[in-house]
Amino acid sequence: GAVVSQHPSWVICKSGTSVKIECRSLDFQATTMFWYRQFPKQSLMLMATSNEGSKATYEQGVEKDKFLINHASLTLSTLTVTSAHPEDSSFYICSAGTSKKTQYFGPGTRLLVL
Amino acid sequence: SQKIEQNSEALNIQEGKTATLTCNYTNYSPAYLQWYRQDPGRGPVFLLLIRENEKEKRKERLKVTFDTTLKQSLFHITASQPADSATYLCALFNSGNTPLVFGKGTRLSVIA
Repeated sequence: GAVVSQHPSWVICKSGTSVKIECRSLDFQATTMFWYRQFPKQSLMLMATSNEGSKATYEQGVEKDKFLINHASLTLSTLTVTSAHPEDSSFYICSAGTSKKTQYFGPGTRLLVL
Repeated sequence: SQKIEQNSEALNIQEGKTATLTCNYTNYSPAYLQWYRQDPGRGPVFLLLIRENEKEKRKERLKVTFDTTLKQSLFHITASQPADSATYLCALFNSGNTPLVFGKGTRLSVIA
């Protein structure tokens, strides 16, 4: 089946620094990828839709200047959390869809901001 | 207001029994619904997709039903095993393959 990878799997950073998370579709091309955030015991919250070659579409309440998304190729999307603060600590997950309407999720990146 | 609810936060059942999980929604008109399995600290894994014009889908020990009148989907695991213990999420999607909303999930524990 289709595989989506994320890197890094976990990251600890100091408050005020920026963190970049990569999402790759390993064996298929994804014109659209999705970024989610999940807090403990909560549902996945869609943050933004990442479109290859164009600007990302952000969900209401998500700051586009804080969560920078770049979809440089059909297999890579990146999410940069700029000037991270402790409240940004969460589990960040990406997904990519296929023509069969199936969403394949990455393994997630756990971010801890001290 | 729009809402999606999964019947309970946690469900415990005996090994060999059928587990039934419920997903209800209000004020959405999804084109299709998906069920996922999520293990602790991992991303969700796709299980089944059911379209708005389909009543039932099966895959091995899994069965999903979709009632757009009741706005409800039921997810069944027959002959449950301890390895089925995980959190199960339902999610609604629109026709453009864009996710609308995910449920909080039901944590299933199958006891040997």
